[in-house]
Amino acid sequence: DTEVTQTPKHLVMGMTNKKSLKCEQHMGHRAMYWYKQKAKKPPELMFVYSYEKLSINESVPSRFSPECPNSSLLNLHLHALQPEDSALYLCASSLSKISLRLAGGVDYNEQFFGPGTRLTVL
Amino acid sequence: DQQVKQNSPSLSVQEGRISILNCDYTNSMFDYFLWYKKYPAEGPTFLISISSIKDKNEDGRFTVFLNKSAKHLSLHIVPSQPGDSAVYFCAAQEVVTGTASKLTFGTGTRLQVTL
Repeated sequence: DTEVTQTPKHLVMGMTNKKSLKCEQHMGHRAMYWYKQKAKKPPELMFVYSYEKLSINESVPSRFSPECPNSSLLNLHLHALQPEDSALYLCASSLSKISLRLAGGVDYNEQFFGPGTRLTVL
Repeated sequence: DQQVKQNSPSLSVQEGRISILNCDYTNSMFDYFLWYKKYPAEGPTFLISISSIKDKNEDGRFTVFLNKSAKHLSLHIVPSQPGDSAVYFCAAQEVVTGTASKLTFGTGTRLQVTL
């Protein structure tokens, strides 16, 4: 299974709503990521989890709250978003650096991406 | 400050010919480089990668070249096929903590392969 799944595929929410995005992988990857992609722009990193612990937060506003309940799941909780937060939200996973060191190589550290959630904030 | 740049926003190539997509970077801490292909409203699909200790990696029709001194990499697709038409992103990895690394994506090049 080399798939990263994301739900929902589309989400429309108001500025006062609370919603969550979900991401799941069963590749045994211990690093998971959230990216945000606006139209005609590259994906921008938001958060990195390594071994279920938050390792990187790219100064993301607190209205985005990530959660990694176990090694296969990654959530992004949304609250009081703004219309400018409308974007494609992508989840990705990869082998962790520790796994790579144990495996003795760096040549296969690609991140596998899910299909994304298209979020519209009204 | 765009650390990874793809200076050609679009490229049109005839079927069967070579497509060459270029990418430049500024951060010397990047240690691993990847190319992704992306269709609209889908997640990026991994194509090929190269470690900073190598200068070439080949996988079927796809070859990536890395010139560390010039901080430049390129993706060659030979022969190009209509199904290759998509947006191609170059991405560069740097280690941030002992257990985590991050990818920085370039701005993307839209490849159109014509019949």
